[in-house]
Amino acid sequence: DTGVSQNPRHKITKRGQNVTFRCDPISEHNRLYWYRQTLGQGPEFLTYFQNEAQLEKSRLLSDRFSAERPKGSFSTLEIQRTEQGDSAMYLCASSLAPSTDTQYFGPGTRLTVL
Amino acid sequence: KQEVTQIPAALSVPEGENLVLNCSFTDSAIYNLQWFRQDPGKGLTSLLLIQSSQREQTSGRLNASLDKSSGRSTLYIAASQPGDSATYLCAVRSNQGGKLIFGQGTELSVKP
Repeated sequence: DTGVSQNPRHKITKRGQNVTFRCDPISEHNRLYWYRQTLGQGPEFLTYFQNEAQLEKSRLLSDRFSAERPKGSFSTLEIQRTEQGDSAMYLCASSLAPSTDTQYFGPGTRLTVL
Repeated sequence: KQEVTQIPAALSVPEGENLVLNCSFTDSAIYNLQWFRQDPGKGLTSLLLIQSSQREQTSGRLNASLDKSSGRSTLYIAASQPGDSATYLCAVRSNQGGKLIFGQGTELSVKP
């Protein structure tokens, strides 16, 4: 499978717990993006990497959120001390910049905070 | 600040109809515009990408147009089928950075 993969697909946690999500981009893609989507809304940008460098972070990415892409391949998104408002679908996308620039999305990780 | 709006929020049509989905954006300084399809509970599937220098792109029964000066894009779907039922999202990428700014989507239902 050459698409973007995300794990886990679903995560249920209790308020206050930490969670970590993983994204594996399309292998040759140098850019990796994280978005968050709540029900009935379009995705909202969180952060993106070019290779291992984190180039932009949204103000939505509070100090409880951290993302890494240590070797320029897969990425992790960690949420510390989860809150009920963190419940959402977390989407990862990758692209090959600057040549094609089309962002290809993974299936998402659905987080439910109880 | 870039804002993207999609109208209508929901649309129901009988099978076989041609239809148009609308997307508008407030800042014309865009790098490209992308249309996506999203099935319930799933990720996004890229349909078409239009560079800022282009006026339209076509793929099969889909045609997307871009008018940067007026801040509008349309997605035309010909001969709609029940399998086209999904939420359609447009997103713009600005000249600054790589992030996409999305509209809230149009939920399309095609009735057999």
